[in-house]
Amino acid sequence: DVKVTQSSRYLVKRTGEKVFLECVQDMDHENMFWYRQDPGLGLRLIYFSYDVKMKEKGDIPEGYSVSREKKERFSLILESASTNQTSMYLCASSPPRGSGNTIYFGEGSWLTVV
Amino acid sequence: ELKVEQNPLFLSMQEGKNYTIYCNYSTTSDRLYWYRQDPGKSLESLFVLLSNGAVKQEGRLMASLDTKARLSTLHITAAVHDLSATYFCVVNRDDKIIFGKGTRLHILP
Repeated sequence: DVKVTQSSRYLVKRTGEKVFLECVQDMDHENMFWYRQDPGLGLRLIYFSYDVKMKEKGDIPEGYSVSREKKERFSLILESASTNQTSMYLCASSPPRGSGNTIYFGEGSWLTVV
Repeated sequence: ELKVEQNPLFLSMQEGKNYTIYCNYSTTSDRLYWYRQDPGKSLESLFVLLSNGAVKQEGRLMASLDTKARLSTLHITAAVHDLSATYFCVVNRDDKIIFGKGTRLHILP
């Protein structure tokens, strides 16, 4: 059974704290993604990675960074959390174009910044 | 820039009725997906559409793709309450995955 695992489901952090959101996939996928989901705004792409140590900015990268040191793990980092980063964060992975069909999603991480 | 637009964004309908959700996208794409999301849950894959004219059906849901018109539809036949959820159209181009804003479907018993 394929899996994308987000280690933290619910977090409460203080403004200014550094926050790590971890995502691990067990399907040997090249591509991994981080999205945030907000009411009325849908899912917006923060960053994606198509290989180890490779990353590309999505639509809303400001205030975030990412790390992909190993193929199976893609981390989202909030260097200094702010209240406007309170959201649900969703990780996804997929094989590269032409080699598979489905995108797989994690269960989501609900982050509250106070 | 790849944009994905769904309409309607909210749909309330009676059980037993038929309706269609539309998804327009702005540039050519490699493939198109439909996903379902229940409140507080992650996304569940419904369909993957790979080529022009593709049609897929699962139960009361049927999805189609017209790549020339850059349009996909998700048709609901004889809706039942269990289909209440948010449905997302997702487009993949050059390994970048872009979501529509989702259609929140509420089916009244």
